[in-house]
Amino acid sequence: AQSVSQHNHHVILSEAASLELGCNYSYGGTVNLFWYVQYPGQHLQLLLKYFSGDPLVKGIKGFEAEFIKSKFSFNLRKPSVQWSDTAEYFCAVNANGGFKTIFGAGTRLFVKA
Amino acid sequence: DAGVIQSPRHEVTEMGQEVTLRCKPISGHDYLFWYRQTMMRGLELLIYFNNNVPIDDSGMPEDRFSAKMPNASFSTLKIQPSEPRDSAVYFCASSRRGGGHNEQFFGPGTRLTVL
Repeated sequence: AQSVSQHNHHVILSEAASLELGCNYSYGGTVNLFWYVQYPGQHLQLLLKYFSGDPLVKGIKGFEAEFIKSKFSFNLRKPSVQWSDTAEYFCAVNANGGFKTIFGAGTRLFVKA
Repeated sequence: DAGVIQSPRHEVTEMGQEVTLRCKPISGHDYLFWYRQTMMRGLELLIYFNNNVPIDDSGMPEDRFSAKMPNASFSTLKIQPSEPRDSAVYFCASSRRGGGHNEQFFGPGTRLTVL
């Protein structure tokens, strides 16, 4: 069965610090990978996605993620966080061609101004 | 595009009462998903539909939960009878085949509190 593991439940950073959130998935086939963000009081929205091609994908607001197939990982990065990045971040995976998407438990990021 | 619409946004009810949550997917989307989000369990997929037909309901916690999709533009999630442990935020999401490799678009959620 598919599963998604996010390494950190809570992360606290100061503004301008670099961010890396870990995500590992378990699935033997070809996958689509996503990072969603949920700002306080809001719904989930897509940050970025990978389905094929360049394993380094760039999303909105300066975020990027790297797919490392050999490690079953899809870590999210941002060189310099801002207070407005305070949110919960979810890694998600579905099988290529499939619609059932499995979400990780989420990582709550708090950025101190 | 109005996005996914959910109602009500907040619901407070007493244990034992029936609760009905509503969702209108994005026009043209043929997949609809219901999720439950709690602090303890994170984001859980309850059920999803394709072309109004339930495909996978293995995440529905118990018989007290039921979901329907009578047409392409409307779905309901019903809890009867409700219990305090059902308190959570319930999200509806929609997607379409071939659209962004199955990216899901989420609604604003319904925050349910069962007293």
